[in-house]
Amino acid sequence: EAEVAQSPRYKITEKSQAVAFWCDPISGHATLYWYRQILGQGPELLVQFQDESVVDDSQLPKDRFSAERLKGVDSTLKIQPAELGDSAMYLCASSRSLDNEQFFGPGTRLTVL
Amino acid sequence: AQTVTQSQPEMSVQEAETVTLSCTYDTSESDYYLFWYKQPPSRQMILVIRQEAYKQQNATENRFSVNFQKAAKSFSLKISDSQLGDAAMYFCAYRSVSSGDKLTFGTGTRLAVRP
Repeated sequence: EAEVAQSPRYKITEKSQAVAFWCDPISGHATLYWYRQILGQGPELLVQFQDESVVDDSQLPKDRFSAERLKGVDSTLKIQPAELGDSAMYLCASSRSLDNEQFFGPGTRLTVL
Repeated sequence: AQTVTQSQPEMSVQEAETVTLSCTYDTSESDYYLFWYKQPPSRQMILVIRQEAYKQQNATENRFSVNFQKAAKSFSLKISDSQLGDAAMYFCAYRSVSSGDKLTFGTGTRLAVRP
């Protein structure tokens, strides 16, 4: 069964360093989402792509976060510089198109020291 | 803005028994979707059940069913014949029809299943 892949699964970094997370959606899925899940809370959407275009990045802290999906397939989420408050689980999800079920990856757990 | 509230941070159920997880939401829209997602420890989140707001009939998926009360803005999940594999975090989520497919999640309920 096809799954959303994410790497790394765990990342420890020091504040002010740069970090990057990678997501490979299920083949054929045009829509890709990045969520942030702070411990004890539900996931919050950071950015949504339709193919290579950003559909919604209203909750993305653009001064330090960036996301790209250059060829409309896999995607990278970057944080530079990382802050202590960025410690969280970063989840990637994909769906065949808008208004379809979202399938989630296992997430990347980020710890900022 | 839409909000989703899960007032039970933790719940516990005996294996083979039934448990109900609560969820309320706030919206001014009439057309939307509601979901329950399951997040097992160290594993990916999966969709458990989905309800369209325009449908009066409550959704069911095998041992999982919902009690959807649109007027009360309540959406509870009932798990029958609980199994050890049901232990997980459960998230209630809302999605508007008119504002794309952004999911708004509650804070989750951690369900423990006692053998």
